[in-house]
Amino acid sequence: SQQGEEDPQALSIQEGENATMNCSYKTSINNLQWYRQNSGRGLVHLILIRSNEREKHSGRLRVTLDTSKKSSSLLITASRAADTASYFCADRGSTLGRLYFGRGTQLTVWP
Amino acid sequence: DTEVTQTPKHLVMGMTNKKSLKCEQHMGHRAMYWYKQKAKKPPELMFVYSYEKLSINESVPSRFSPECPNSSLLNLHLHALQPEDSALYLCASSQGLVQPEQYFGPGTRLTVT
Repeated sequence: SQQGEEDPQALSIQEGENATMNCSYKTSINNLQWYRQNSGRGLVHLILIRSNEREKHSGRLRVTLDTSKKSSSLLITASRAADTASYFCADRGSTLGRLYFGRGTQLTVWP
Repeated sequence: DTEVTQTPKHLVMGMTNKKSLKCEQHMGHRAMYWYKQKAKKPPELMFVYSYEKLSINESVPSRFSPECPNSSLLNLHLHALQPEDSALYLCASSQGLVQPEQYFGPGTRLTVT
């Protein structure tokens, strides 16, 4: 299966703390993306990291990629209550048009 | 316009009804997707259209019938659904099949009674 594995499944932190989520695949990673989904809403694309990149930043987000371990991590710094959402990693895999999603991490940030 | 819109937001239908979900994008994207998402699960791919032609059908039951009338519109026709088909149905688009970033609509919450 090309589905990603994410951990933790759930993460609960206080505002101002950092949140780290991890994602791993059994197959090689091509173009790893992270998406956010607020409850019952659509997914919002956060960041894409390509297989030849090791680290990428976007605002308070920092994504790293370790192709040898087939894993990626998403760090959200100085978290806010508005960051409360589910976060999914997704890799394109070998088939064009198909994304292989991780199972998601539910992040709760308490004010 | 960087938005994917979906209508309706909510839909309740009986098992004998026929209804349609609609999706629209004006970003000039040439690939469009339907996903089904159950609570606390990742989205599951149903169909992919590229240049208005069906590219991927993930062995979806025939009671779901997709249609892509033009490059901006994507429909999902529903007929004789089962209660287990109740889910959030998400539409997405991308520049093409090669570009991995997909842009999602807000979804239609479907309840089959």
